[in-house]
Amino acid sequence: AQSVTQLDSHVSVSEGTPVLLRCNYSSSYSPSLFWYVQHPNKGLQLLLKYTSAATLVKGINGFEAEFKKSETSFHLTKPSAHMSDAAEYFCVVSEGSGGYQKVTFGTGTKLQVIP
Amino acid sequence: DTGVSQDPRHKITKRGQNVTFRCDPISEHNRLYWYRQTLGQGPEFLTYFQNEAQLEKSRLLSDRFSAERPKGSFSTLEIQRTEQGDSAMYLCASSLAGVGYTFGSGTRLTVV
Repeated sequence: AQSVTQLDSHVSVSEGTPVLLRCNYSSSYSPSLFWYVQHPNKGLQLLLKYTSAATLVKGINGFEAEFKKSETSFHLTKPSAHMSDAAEYFCVVSEGSGGYQKVTFGTGTKLQVIP
Repeated sequence: DTGVSQDPRHKITKRGQNVTFRCDPISEHNRLYWYRQTLGQGPEFLTYFQNEAQLEKSRLLSDRFSAERPKGSFSTLEIQRTEQGDSAMYLCASSLAGVGYTFGSGTRLTVV
């Protein structure tokens, strides 16, 4: 069975400081991992994805994440927070091959950016 | 616009009424998913289509819920005899070969 744990429900950073959103996963197979962002009253937007290629994945808007199999982690980082980064972030694990991919969402981390 | 479209964006309905939502996926995507998201929670899987075939249904999808994708393109999600507990954001996503999902903006349902 697969699961995703987002370790912080809320993270608050000052504008211009680094962002770290933590995610740990468990999976019986080689998973694909994603981070999505959701702005208030909006749908989910894909930030980045890991699909067994390079372990350091670069996404949109300056975000990146590193897949660490030994730690079963996929933390999301950004060197310098911007006010527009304030949103909710979801870590997602997907496993399966070819056919249906079972997808599990974390419970989300709300990022607050303080001016 | 080549993204996933959902209609309506918001729906307010009285308890006991039926509602229907529509999702138009990205045209070349053969897989379509419905999720439900309640306040403070991550999206929960409801059902999945590959082309017109409904291949997976969550136990969250009670008998009052039905989803269709008649021609393998757009999909509808109907909720009959709505209850206040059905109030949520209903998200549709589509994908090709299951690698990465493109989500629509969702339909927010409020049952009063």
